[in-house]
Amino acid sequence: DIQMTQSPSSLSASVGDRVTITCRASQGISNYLAWYQQKPGKVPQLLIYAASTLQSGVPSRFSGSGSGTDFTLTISSLQPEDVATYYCQKYNSAPRTFGQGTKVEIK
Amino acid sequence: EVQLLESGGGLVQPGGSLRLSCAASGFTFSNYAMSWVRQAPGKGLEWVSAISTSGGAAYYADSVKGRFTISRDNSKNSLYLQMSSLRAEDTAIYYCTKNTPAQDYWGQGTVVTVSS
Repeated sequence: DIQMTQSPSSLSASVGDRVTITCRASQGISNYLAWYQQKPGKVPQLLIYAASTLQSGVPSRFSGSGSGTDFTLTISSLQPEDVATYYCQKYNSAPRTFGQGTKVEIK
Repeated sequence: EVQLLESGGGLVQPGGSLRLSCAASGFTFSNYAMSWVRQAPGKGLEWVSAISTSGGAAYYADSVKGRFTISRDNSKNSLYLQMSSLRAEDTAIYYCTKNTPAQDYWGQGTVVTVSS
């Protein structure tokens, strides 16, 4: 099975900072990569699909890139409401493995 | 408005069984594959199972294969997860999700606790 590895596992940044989270697949998955945001105590929400397509309603400070095995989620200017855990997920085939998550906090 | 409402969670003893249900509304249920995702207390997300639009194809995580069965009833706009031989490590919030094909809508979840 394909493994999904995120880094870092956690980060602390200041409001307004540019934040980057990476996700690596152990084999190529084309662009079948999604990013989810889970705020504390809340249900996960889809942020990005097809590696770089923003889900409707998601602020434009979020962006995604990558293809094959290496992917990136970028928050261009971190806001207090972005405090959450972020997960990548492959969905080209089963199992639809998630990364282990990246916890983002405000410094 | 898309709504996914899970039910059927609860406390069950190790080795026991439980059937989760998910009632879908606000979209043409029969047009979409569906999935179950779980989250153990304080842990990350784990994909559990998925089912095709017709129900003819089902997929499982290795951790539940042979113990869990996913099914759907398109006439009732409902998704199910039959869980048997439950273990302590199956304790989690179980979410029903719509596949588009990324999982764009999630229910609020139902809590399953496996404990004696």
